[in-house]
Amino acid sequence: GQNIDQPTEMTATEGAIVQINCTYQTSGFNGLFWYQQHAGEAPTFLSYNVLDGLEEKGRFSSFLSRSKGYSYLLLKELQMKDSASYLCAVRDQGGLTGGGNKLTFGTGTQLKVEL
Amino acid sequence: KAGVTQTPRYLIKTRGQQVTLSCSPISGHRSVSWYQQTPGQGLQFLFEYFSETQRNKGNFPGRFSGRQFSNSRSEMNVSTLELGDSALYLCASSLEGGPREQYFGPGTRLTVT
Repeated sequence: GQNIDQPTEMTATEGAIVQINCTYQTSGFNGLFWYQQHAGEAPTFLSYNVLDGLEEKGRFSSFLSRSKGYSYLLLKELQMKDSASYLCAVRDQGGLTGGGNKLTFGTGTQLKVEL
Repeated sequence: KAGVTQTPRYLIKTRGQQVTLSCSPISGHRSVSWYQQTPGQGLQFLFEYFSETQRNKGNFPGRFSGRQFSNSRSEMNVSTLELGDSALYLCASSLEGGPREQYFGPGTRLTVT
């Protein structure tokens, strides 16, 4: 199984940079996802890491260290609209017939961006 | 291209009843996954269907079941509803179920009284 930990809440200032950490213990690993979820809405995909290192996509970057079971999501030039829950999810090694999408999600980090 | 659609959006049921929720994936997507989201437990994986076969399964009791049709549309059924089944049920679709992002639908808010 998987166990995923991420902070419950974080607060940051508009225009600043924030780093949301995620640690995981896993019996099988086949990639790590970050999703953003605004209140009352469905999660939307932000990033996917399967190899160690940093993936950058505009204001958002995600880092993975498989040996340490650690990832972070970095948000730059924060905007008020970035206030949301950020979900870390680990994809399992394989399912009943191998492959596929079996994601275990953390409980999410509620980010509040203030003026 | 239309997104993932789920029906109904809201549902109120009584304990002991059963319920069927429907999910239509994005056109061309063959993998459909179902999740339960509650404030206490967060997003929990129920099962995944691919080409009408259940490919992955989470740790939910047998009261939770699903199926997928030849057009990739999927349904999930919960029998003998319990108060604890009150949750947002989300489905997500992806192209092949490989290392690709999943696109989530708006969810069905189920309330069990």
